[in-house]
Amino acid sequence: AQSVTQPDIHITVSEGASLELRCNYSYGATPYLFWYVQSPGQGLQLLLKYFSGDTLVQGIKGFEAEFKRSQSSFNLRKPSVHWSDAAEYFCAVAGTDSWGKLQFGAGTQVVVTP
Amino acid sequence: GAVVSQHPSRVICKSGTSVKIECRSLDFQATTMFWYRQFPKQSLMLMATSNEGSKATYEQGVEKDKFLINHASLTLSTLTVTSAHPEDSSFYICSAGRGGQADTQYFGPGTRLTVL
Repeated sequence: AQSVTQPDIHITVSEGASLELRCNYSYGATPYLFWYVQSPGQGLQLLLKYFSGDTLVQGIKGFEAEFKRSQSSFNLRKPSVHWSDAAEYFCAVAGTDSWGKLQFGAGTQVVVTP
Repeated sequence: GAVVSQHPSRVICKSGTSVKIECRSLDFQATTMFWYRQFPKQSLMLMATSNEGSKATYEQGVEKDKFLINHASLTLSTLTVTSAHPEDSSFYICSAGRGGQADTQYFGPGTRLTVL
């Protein structure tokens, strides 16, 4: 069965510091991979996605993620966080034959300190 | 573009009553809509997939008679929680996908349901 693991429930980072959020997946083949951000009162917003091709994916708001097949990982990074990056971040996967059925990780809450 | 709205954003109801939640794609036609449930401090769990004009497909463990889904048009899907009980209290989120594009879903802002 497929699964998504976000090992870090909560991360605190200083404004201006770098951020890395971990995501590991278990799936029979290479799935579609996504990172979403959820802010209070707003719907989930897609940060970036990986379907195929270049394993380093650029997203919105200065985020990037790298797909590593050997590690079954799709970690999200940002070189310098802003206070507005404080939110809940979800990694998600979807099978290539059922792209609509997103399976989400448990989420990582990011707190940004001054 | 690609805006999805949900109404209401919050609802409080008494146990035993039914509650309807609407999900609308405002600027595109959504052949497929999805309904998720999110418990506090937890992830989103897919409840069902609805395709316009056909019956919804429910995930294992989701009671289809409890959670009625209707996708009557390309811009509207509704979720009705029938005979709601306190354990149905949750955050319900819908998403909409454009047909033929194997990529993103666009999420609504969610509806907070509290059953007293």
